[in-house]
Parts: sequence; structure tokens; C-alpha cells
Amino acid sequence: KAGVTQTPRYLIKTRGQQVTLSCSPISGHRSVSWYQQTPGQGLQFLFEYFSETQRNKGNFPGRFSGRQFSNSRSEMNVSTLELGDSALYLCASSVTTDTQYFGPGTRLTVL
Amino acid sequence: SQQGEEDPQALSIQEGENATMNCSYKTSINNLQWYRQNSGRGLVHLILIRSNEREKHSGRLRVTLDTSKKSSSLLITASRAADTASYFCATGGGETSGSRLTFGEGTQLTVNP
Repeated sequence: KAGVTQTPRYLIKTRGQQVTLSCSPISGHRSVSWYQQTPGQGLQFLFEYFSETQRNKGNFPGRFSGRQFSNSRSEMNVSTLELGDSALYLCASSVTTDTQYFGPGTRLTVL
Repeated sequence: SQQGEEDPQALSIQEGENATMNCSYKTSINNLQWYRQNSGRGLVHLILIRSNEREKHSGRLRVTLDTSKKSSSLLITASRAADTASYFCATGGGETSGSRLTFGEGTQLTVNP
């Protein structure tokens, strides 16, 4: 089976812009979770989608949003980008609530 | 916020030696998992141990869990240069947390050839 794919792999934006990141889960996986990784805060949970519904949400401002499509593909959007949003954004898919399978990540740089 | 701490933050050893990393967590758990991350890339799942288990093995990996001390350790035996990576423990899963994982701060392991 193909693994979790994320696009784009690298992205450079300027403050105030918005960005959309995409994640395609492993075939058959209905749960998709998003994480932000920064040197200062480490790995932090953003949100989880299951069957097109947000099932769990982390402690991030409303500028961070996401959605899931009927084929389980997911997108996350960050509006009004800030310098502090520069991070590696990781997507993970799973069948159960245990083992997560991570994609390679999208490296976002905000200038 | 991080679930707990990992110790040490960085570890440098020679090939063939064993590497031990420790993880502490704060709340009760359903399971604890260990993941590996190579140089800012995606995380790879290594092993999962459930709260009713005390020890688990997978190849060169041995994980222990002490729920009374809220701690876990990951032992990598006969380390190889390819084991150089960051290692994270994560808690969560189950009915209460769903697929939400809470990660430790990670241990950076360097295995010198």
C-alpha cells in the first residue's frame, strides 16, 4: 500500500497570506490527524478528522482550520499567516485510534 | 503542551552499544507508543505498549512501561549508524483521546560508526 502523502513538501509564504496543505491517507484509513512541529513547542496536535467530521481539536487559534473529503483526503488551511506559523506540518492516518502512520510533512516558512 | 519529558535530550554512542531512552508522562494512559524521526522528516511508528503490559520486544527494540511511576523506557540493542534519529514517546489513543497523540520532547540519538 502507498503511504501517507503530503503536498506540497515545501512552501514559502509571507505574513498575512493564507496557505492550504493537503494530505492523502493510506487507502482504507478514515482518520486523519494533523500536527505542528516547531523547535520551541515540539509536536503539537492540531485536529483530527474522521468520516468528514472533526473528531478532536487541539489548542490552536481559529486561523487554523481543516476539512476532510468523502475519499478521506484532508486539507488544512492557515489564514493570516504569522512568522510563528513557520513549522513542519505533519499529517497522520490511522485505522484504529492507536498506531498513526505519518506522512513526510510539509515544511512551511513564513517570511 | 507536552505530555512529559524525555531523558536524555541527547545521546551519543558508538556502533554496537546499547541506547536507552526514558519517557515520563503525567496522566493515566491507554497505551504508550514510540516513534522515530529522521532529520525533520515524518515519524515512523516503532512499537506500542498497552497500559496492562510491562514489557514488549520488537527486533532490537525493548520497551518497558511502569504505570505506577508513569514512565517508560526504550532500549535499542546493538545500535547501528542508521539508528541515528530523534525518538519520541507518545501517549493517547483509545476511546477518550481518539487518535490524538501527545508527544514528549524527544531524544536525539547519534550513533557514531
